[in-house]
This record gives sequence, C-alpha cells and structure tokens, in this order.
Amino acid sequence: DAKTTQPTSMDCAEGRAANLPCNHSTISGNEYVYWYRQIHSQGPQYIIHGLKNNETNEMASLIITEDRKSSTLILPHATLRDTAVYYCIVRVEGVDAGNNRKLIWGLGTSLAVNP
Amino acid sequence: DTEVTQTPKHLVMGMTNKKSLKCEQHMGHRAMYWYKQKAKKPPELMFVYSYEKLSINESVPSRFSPECPNSSLLNLHLHALQPEDSALYLCASSPHRGLEQYFGPGTRLTVT
Repeated sequence: DAKTTQPTSMDCAEGRAANLPCNHSTISGNEYVYWYRQIHSQGPQYIIHGLKNNETNEMASLIITEDRKSSTLILPHATLRDTAVYYCIVRVEGVDAGNNRKLIWGLGTSLAVNP
Repeated sequence: DTEVTQTPKHLVMGMTNKKSLKCEQHMGHRAMYWYKQKAKKPPELMFVYSYEKLSINESVPSRFSPECPNSSLLNLHLHALQPEDSALYLCASSPHRGLEQYFGPGTRLTVT
C-alpha cells in the first residue's frame, strides 16, 4: 500500500516555481522520502531524497516539515521539459529477513508546465 | 557511461511463446531491479538482485523467471504469459540496495 498521497495533477507557468506537495503522515523515523519523475514514454528519473533536513541539488529542492508528515518538491524555474509525472516515494527499511529496503511509490502528480 | 539499456524496445508475443528481456549497465552497480508498470500507474517492483543473488521476489508468478548472469546483465525470461501481463517492463540499477536507482527506458510488452 502507498505510504504517500499526492494531488493527481497540477499546472505551472513556464519560468515560475513548481511546488509539488506530498503527504506521508505514517512515515517512520528511519524512512527516507524520495522523488522521481517520469517523462512520457521514458523510464523514471531520480530527482532528490531526504530524511529530516531540507535538501537541494541541481534539479530541485526538497522541503520536509519538522514533524516529517509532509514534504514539498520545488522546481525553481519550471520549463516545458519538466512536464512529467512526479512520484513521491518512501523508502522502507528491513522489509524481510534479509533486511532489504524497498521503495513504496505513490500514485504521482501529473505536472503540466504551460508556455 | 551512466546509462541502463534495455532490449528490445517493443515485444509482441503469443501466450505460448518463450521470450527474454535484456537489461545492461556498465556503471559498476551491484543491485539490479525489474519493475512492471501498467498505464497511468506507478512502477511495481518484481525482483531485486544484489551482488548477483536474488534478494527480493515480490510473489511474482513463475511464468516470469529472472536471471543475473553477471554484475552488468539482468534478464527476464517469459513463458506462457497472459494478456494481462501486457505492460511496460522497466529495469533499474543502483550502486547498492536502497540507493537512488537509475532506470532504463523500458520494454513495451504486448501479449496476444
């Protein structure tokens, strides 16, 4: 079962910041939040991940609330090429006797960046 | 080389056929994954290999048989599939289990 909830779709104007929210109210203390995106007809692409602190890389910023029950992915200057489905994911630990980790994918937000 | 390649791009097979999907990476990653993705749904994990050993099988039917001949290659052997197995099959790799995964473009499989 998904551990995250996201809006089904969002729109953003080109050049503006895109803020994609995600709720993960049942997240455990050692579970990371990951974001991937999938452009139409391509494989998913890793964007960013975090545990407690805010994170930034060349693609995006990840803001995690202090209680860790929600997070926001920020694309600072959205372009048409950022149109994609954005998945908010929780990485769970110790899923079996082998102490394996798994990504639990949300249903995704379809982001449309408009000219 | 930061790429995961998958062949073929498209595959149409009958329910009695045997076929294989192939995945390759040359990034030195030691974990490799197979996912299945239906339209408008997120990817579903099928199998995980870690250091060439199968570490996770998500209760996948035996008509799907994974194989990891070496650290760069991952195969998925298909036999007696059903039409509902039609989907996009994605391969991914990561430096170790649980770290960020690099995905290939997928194989679009149609079972007739």
